[in-house]
Amino acid sequence: QSVLTQPPSVSGAPGQRVTISCTGSSSNIGAGYDVHWYQQLPGTAPKLLIYGNSNRPSGVPDRFSGSKSGTSASLAITGLQAEDEADYYCQSYDSSLSHWVFGGGTKLTVL
Amino acid sequence: QVQLQESGPGLVKPSETLSLTCTVSGGSISSYYWSWIRQPPGKGLEWIGYIYYSGSTNYNPSLKSRVTISVDTSKNQFSLKLSSVTAADTAVYYCARFIVVKGHNWFDPWGQGTLVTVSS
Repeated sequence: QSVLTQPPSVSGAPGQRVTISCTGSSSNIGAGYDVHWYQQLPGTAPKLLIYGNSNRPSGVPDRFSGSKSGTSASLAITGLQAEDEADYYCQSYDSSLSHWVFGGGTKLTVL
Repeated sequence: QVQLQESGPGLVKPSETLSLTCTVSGGSISSYYWSWIRQPPGKGLEWIGYIYYSGSTNYNPSLKSRVTISVDTSKNQFSLKLSSVTAADTAVYYCARFIVVKGHNWFDPWGQGTLVTVSS
């Protein structure tokens, strides 16, 4: 069971907006540690999607956005495209565990 | 741009030591932190540990007794050793650069990953 909780799956039709939540606690997200998001396309390695809660690396479309509030964070994807079908992971640091942690991952299906 | 490539045996016997190497190309290993992360088949990601180019390390407490990460700056490589492996250590092992900015940390970029199966 992951320290950061994500829904196992979300889905949406092309062009729609979806959000993926990442719920933590007072020892990780709630303690002020940044949340970062990764996209893992089928059969490939994870790729950094959002860093520092809401920043996009160069080359990541502005359809992807991140936010953080309290003990939770969210990844929003607008204008869904078939190529967005992937697993998405959040990541932060946990001070109780003294190590970096990932959410369990969310599988996005584009209908 | 920086690229990472894992290499090592794809099959390890139970109780033996898993050994992997990550080769960094397109940039120097110096002045950065480097990490290992694993993903059991069909499951999520687990941070294993990191090493600074100078050799200082930090490991996941749950694996600390079995893990050693080392660096060879002359070869632009860093390595992972995991001892006394069991079937539970079967996973895709990724190496990644560990970005440290004002205490906030993330992983970018990642290697393509290598599947290591523990089986007799």
